[in-house]
Amino acid sequence: GDSVTQMEGPVTLSEEAFLTINCTYTATGYPSLFWYVQYPGEGLQLLLKATKADDKGSNKGFEATYRKETTSFHLEKGSVQVSDSAVYFCALPGNQFYFGTGTSLTVIP
Amino acid sequence: KAGVTQTPRYLIKTRGQQVTLSCSPISGHRSVSWYQQTPGQGLQFLFEYFSETQRNKGNFPGRFSGRQFSNSRSEMNVSTLELGDSALYLCASSLERQGGTGELFFGEGSRLTVL
Repeated sequence: GDSVTQMEGPVTLSEEAFLTINCTYTATGYPSLFWYVQYPGEGLQLLLKATKADDKGSNKGFEATYRKETTSFHLEKGSVQVSDSAVYFCALPGNQFYFGTGTSLTVIP
Repeated sequence: KAGVTQTPRYLIKTRGQQVTLSCSPISGHRSVSWYQQTPGQGLQFLFEYFSETQRNKGNFPGRFSGRQFSNSRSEMNVSTLELGDSALYLCASSLERQGGTGELFFGEGSRLTVL
């Protein structure tokens, strides 16, 4: 069945460090792919998405490229800020939305 | 445009009681889904409602139920509460049924604590 495998956390980085959070998926066909972010005390909100292979989604300095050949959708940011501290979820739509386990990111000044 | 509204935001119950949570979707959205979020299990799908009909259901016991009204507002009910039901319950709405390319819009959640 459809599923998402996401890099385990937690991740702690210094401000301005480079971030990568790995996400791979198993799905029938070529679905859209999403990254959601959850800030402390809040619900999830869409960070970025890609609707087809080779698409790059981007938002707030974050990027992810839909790689069909490696079935991956890794999240990257070149220079993280303290305000990026949150939990990040990779997600795949299907009969239900399939979410990864979440990766907690803490950025220290 | 108002977002997804969930009430109550926080509640405390004791074992054996029941609870009803409410969700008002974004205006025009006809699909409402519910998720349970716990530290150990992550996000788990409970059910999806579309046009007042349950379209899909996750692997939860029958104590968990829901419904959707003609105005797309949704409620979920948990009966005979157990300690393990303590969680953040998230509601999400979307324009179309899940399975398409549309995104989910989440509320801030209802945090349930069972004592």
